Amino acid sequence: KQEVTQIPAALSVPEGENLVLNCSFTDSAIYNLQWFRQDPGKGLTSLLLIQSSQREQTSGRLNASLDKSSGRSTLYIAASQPGDSATYLCAVSSGGYQKVTFGIGTKLQVIP
Amino acid sequence: GAGVSQSPSNKVTEKGKDVELRCDPISGHTALYWYRQSLGQGLEFLIYFQGNSAPDKSGLPSDRFSAERTGGSVSTLTIQRTQQEDSAVYLCASSLNPLANTGELFFGEGSRLTVL
Repeated sequence: KQEVTQIPAALSVPEGENLVLNCSFTDSAIYNLQWFRQDPGKGLTSLLLIQSSQREQTSGRLNASLDKSSGRSTLYIAASQPGDSATYLCAVSSGGYQKVTFGIGTKLQVIP
Repeated sequence: GAGVSQSPSNKVTEKGKDVELRCDPISGHTALYWYRQSLGQGLEFLIYFQGNSAPDKSGLPSDRFSAERTGGSVSTLTIQRTQQEDSAVYLCASSLNPLANTGELFFGEGSRLTVL
């Protein structure tokens, strides 16, 4: 059974800092890994998707890396802004029909 | 439609009543997922539909929960005889066939259920 862990559970940083969010998974036989953002009371917004054959994906100030062999992914946010404050979730697709398993998320607060 | 649409956005009901939650996926998306998110908790998988294949119902917490997907498009999640512990946000997501595409998930805004 796939298990996804995210560390830290919460993070508070001053505006402008670079930061790293971590995601680990127990079954390395994955199809893809997806990072989402969730604002309070809202649904999930897809940020980046890394397919199993890829090592990283970039979008603007965001960079996500994937190391399947060690069961880890990181989401790097450069020059953080108050608007980045949200909960960030990692989701892993694995198994026969690519069932998607989520971590609990990292709650990020960027202080102006 | 342009995105995944869920209704109602908020539902308050009394314990013991039945509720229906609706999800309209992105046009052309054959895969559809239901998740439940309780306060301060992660996303709990409920059920998965892919095309005409038998759905994976392994995440449904009890036989009070059921879901169907008509015509391979709109899905309805039904909770019978609601209990207070059913209070949560119910999220729907869709994707292109994950076996032939990237499997990127797109979520709706969710249906917030409160059982009094």
